[in-house]
Amino acid sequence: RKEVEQDPGPFNVPEGATVAFNCTYSNSASQSFFWYRQDCRKEPKLLMSVYSSGNEDGRFTAQLNRASQYISLLIRDSKLSDSATYLCVVILSGSARQLTFGSGTQLTVLP
Amino acid sequence: GAVVSQHPSWVICKSGTSVKIECRSLDFQATTMFWYRQFPKQSLMLMATSNEGSKATYEQGVEKDKFLINHASLTLSTLTVTSAHPEDSSFYICSARDLGGRAMDTQYFGPGTRLTVL
Repeated sequence: RKEVEQDPGPFNVPEGATVAFNCTYSNSASQSFFWYRQDCRKEPKLLMSVYSSGNEDGRFTAQLNRASQYISLLIRDSKLSDSATYLCVVILSGSARQLTFGSGTQLTVLP
Repeated sequence: GAVVSQHPSWVICKSGTSVKIECRSLDFQATTMFWYRQFPKQSLMLMATSNEGSKATYEQGVEKDKFLINHASLTLSTLTVTSAHPEDSSFYICSARDLGGRAMDTQYFGPGTRLTVL
């Protein structure tokens, strides 16, 4: 079983739509959680950290459910510029703060 | 924000040659840098953790004699792919942890180096 699993997609949605991505992690002692965004042939860039209380940054909302070992990202009013691959990232317990990446979910926002 | 550079951004080489990739933190010091590899349509896979002034820690399955890592200063780590073969063709990305950052988990990624071995 992979340590971090995501639905690979692709998700093709019209502009203005709301889209949600899910991610599960296998290590219940995982410590920190993030969503990164990666554009084609570019490096990943931090989108937002994920906290147990949930957090929101503009059109983006991240949720963490430790009991279910589940992380989500919600994008409202999607823009063409949101088209990218979204990576779920976890810092595993005892991993010396190394990032473990999911395989990514590809999003294409259509005009 | 913090900036990490990589050089070269892309390289094409013949099979059997060695390729050196540099990773620099431009405006902060990084005692720890990480090297990742990403094959097409796959996720980033950690290859090794580079520690300033000491030996790198390699992930299982990564040959330390093939992927030489040197972290000689707080702002520079190098990855040398020795005797490269076509199966080493990949996107190599480094990241550096900003010790001075407010969030200790903050890592900044370089723009990546695309290696093609003919």
